[in-house]
Amino acid sequence: GEDVEQSLFLSVREGDSSVINCTYTDSSSTYLYWYKQEPGAGLQLLTYIFSNMDMKQDQRLTVLLNKKDKHLSLRIADTQTGDSAIYFCARGGDSGAGSYQLTFGKGTKLSVIP
Amino acid sequence: DGGITQSPKYLFRKEGQNVTLSCEQNLNHDAMYWYRQDPGQGLRLIYYSQIVNDFQKGDIAEGYSVSREKKESFPLTVTSAQKNPTAFYLCASSFSGSPYEQYFGPGTRLTVT
Repeated sequence: GEDVEQSLFLSVREGDSSVINCTYTDSSSTYLYWYKQEPGAGLQLLTYIFSNMDMKQDQRLTVLLNKKDKHLSLRIADTQTGDSAIYFCARGGDSGAGSYQLTFGKGTKLSVIP
Repeated sequence: DGGITQSPKYLFRKEGQNVTLSCEQNLNHDAMYWYRQDPGQGLRLIYYSQIVNDFQKGDIAEGYSVSREKKESFPLTVTSAQKNPTAFYLCASSFSGSPYEQYFGPGTRLTVT
């Protein structure tokens, strides 16, 4: 299977919460990241979590990490139409020579219905 | 304003021609990266450089070349040996220490016909 897996699509109504899930296979990663990509644009770093943390909250964003199950999630509260984008999960910060490299999932396209 | 610039936004080339994509950063980052993005494929690492005058191949380096003569610049050349060069190319940079946050440029869409 893929190193970092995400579901490809998610559709929510404006004002609801969105939860985007990610699973990974390599437990040596030190950091896990969430990026947002709007159409035709580069990736914007939303947040990251250190692997010894369970949760990180930043305004409308909540990241949950279950290290035992190798499961990461991004919750967006009060989802707005401007949140419509592709969201990428990535892992990185591995020890040794690979520490610089990030491994990305294929992205989850979030569609927000007005 | 600090950031990463990529030029041009759109690039068109004929098959068999080499083409060079520009990437410049003024964030004082040590490391720079090139990714390729295809629909439904996520991002795949082409090359990365941790320091000036040094670079390493990523997962899909065949048909590409890079140079890192200055800290601020990391140009990518797509050669005629690249079998399927049409794609969206993204450049990124980061500091060399943790948490290795990578910041991305706006991308260049290359179309080869």
